Amino acid sequence: DSGVTQTPKHLITATGQRVTLRCSPRSGDLSVYWYQQSLDQGLQFLIQYYNGEERAKGNILERFSAQQFPDLHSELNLSSLELGDSALYFCASSGGQGHEKLFFGSGTQLSVL
Amino acid sequence: GESVGLHLPTLSVQEGDNSIINCAYSNSASDYFIWYKQESGKGPQFIIDIRSNMDKRQGQRVTVLLNKTVKHLSLQIAATQPGDSAVYFCAEKSDRGSTLGRLYFGRGTQLTVWP
Repeated sequence: DSGVTQTPKHLITATGQRVTLRCSPRSGDLSVYWYQQSLDQGLQFLIQYYNGEERAKGNILERFSAQQFPDLHSELNLSSLELGDSALYFCASSGGQGHEKLFFGSGTQLSVL
Repeated sequence: GESVGLHLPTLSVQEGDNSIINCAYSNSASDYFIWYKQESGKGPQFIIDIRSNMDKRQGQRVTVLLNKTVKHLSLQIAATQPGDSAVYFCAEKSDRGSTLGRLYFGRGTQLTVWP
């Protein structure tokens, strides 16, 4: 168990809908990272938050947004969903802000039908 | 595409043998590397990491070797067990121009351990 908690484990929704994925980092970790994993693209970095502030942005679509709350949990919001958004979404956390020694949650499997 | 790649997409070994999983990277400025193991239905699990000022680092049954001359990284697993069957990812930390350093993951190698 990595200590990173993600909910829900599975999400099935329709095109055009909006969903929210939730992540609780390991105790004491200030950085939260969101990754998307698909068969054709592998693990792709989306966005990082550190202590409530956006720290780095990767290949995140404009339809997607995230935030980190004062208690350090984070949410990833995906809107106007398309079939191609179906993927595994992982949250990871680390103590520092330097993209090192990330600990991943078990992921949310999103299926857009 | 990503600069981090793997020489072999699949690797099959017999239980008890040693496994070597290879990884190539293209950015000579990368200063940090990390290996993850991902079992089916689970998230990537940290195995071991190494900084560019080191050539070798050992953990429990695992060793990571870094050859900066040829930009090659390998993960050695001693006495491979069925529980080691998983996809193994390497990642490099790189600046890639204007962006701050972040991890870039390879596509992964599927390790299968036969009894």
